[in-house]
Amino acid sequence: NAGVMQNPRHLVRRRGQEARLRCSPMKGHSHVYWYRQLPEEGLKFMVYLQKENIIDESGMPKERFSAEFPKEGPSILRIQQVVRGDSAAYFCASSPTSGRTDTQYFGPGTRLTVL
Amino acid sequence: AQSVTQLDSQVPVFEEAPVELRCNYSSSVSVYLFWYVQYPNQGLQLLLKYLSGSTLVESINGFEAEFNKSQTSFHLRKPSVHISDTAEYFCAVTRPDNTDKLIFGTGTRLQVFP
Repeated sequence: NAGVMQNPRHLVRRRGQEARLRCSPMKGHSHVYWYRQLPEEGLKFMVYLQKENIIDESGMPKERFSAEFPKEGPSILRIQQVVRGDSAAYFCASSPTSGRTDTQYFGPGTRLTVL
Repeated sequence: AQSVTQLDSQVPVFEEAPVELRCNYSSSVSVYLFWYVQYPNQGLQLLLKYLSGSTLVESINGFEAEFNKSQTSFHLRKPSVHISDTAEYFCAVTRPDNTDKLIFGTGTRLQVFP
């Protein structure tokens, strides 16, 4: 059973460009979570999605950030018009479709660098 | 709202010495508690968790943590560390009725020296 997959692992963007981060949850998982880790800080919750639905986006910045989890394909975290302050590691996690959903399993992260 | 405090940002220790990484939480309701480990340039791996039952939980690699409700703590311990334990350790909480949002501490970097 493959773990949570994220790509790309490293992404470099210039200010003003768009960044697209992808996350494929573990097999049998339909709950996806995105977290951001700024340098020297812990992870901060951004958004929680189930297939085709955003359940909780209370941690998402109000502008430029969006997330989706379509019926087919990976979850996408999209950052428009990136700024230097968006440089961070973005982690995706997933939890099972049914049964216990109390544990989240994390991917290796995407490290975004904005020049 | 819940919060997590990891007072020690760095803990240096010699190999084979014991170690304790401290974690305190604040919550007006019951919580689930987790320790995650992050090795350099990798994602987080679940080390152990407390959901209910026995207050002492153990991981497969020798770590253990004890839930202390009166002190609102969930300290992580290992009696004898290895070089390979060098990593960042994060304590996290979530509400049992709302497990979608993990609240993390700022992390403790454990550095094991030979």
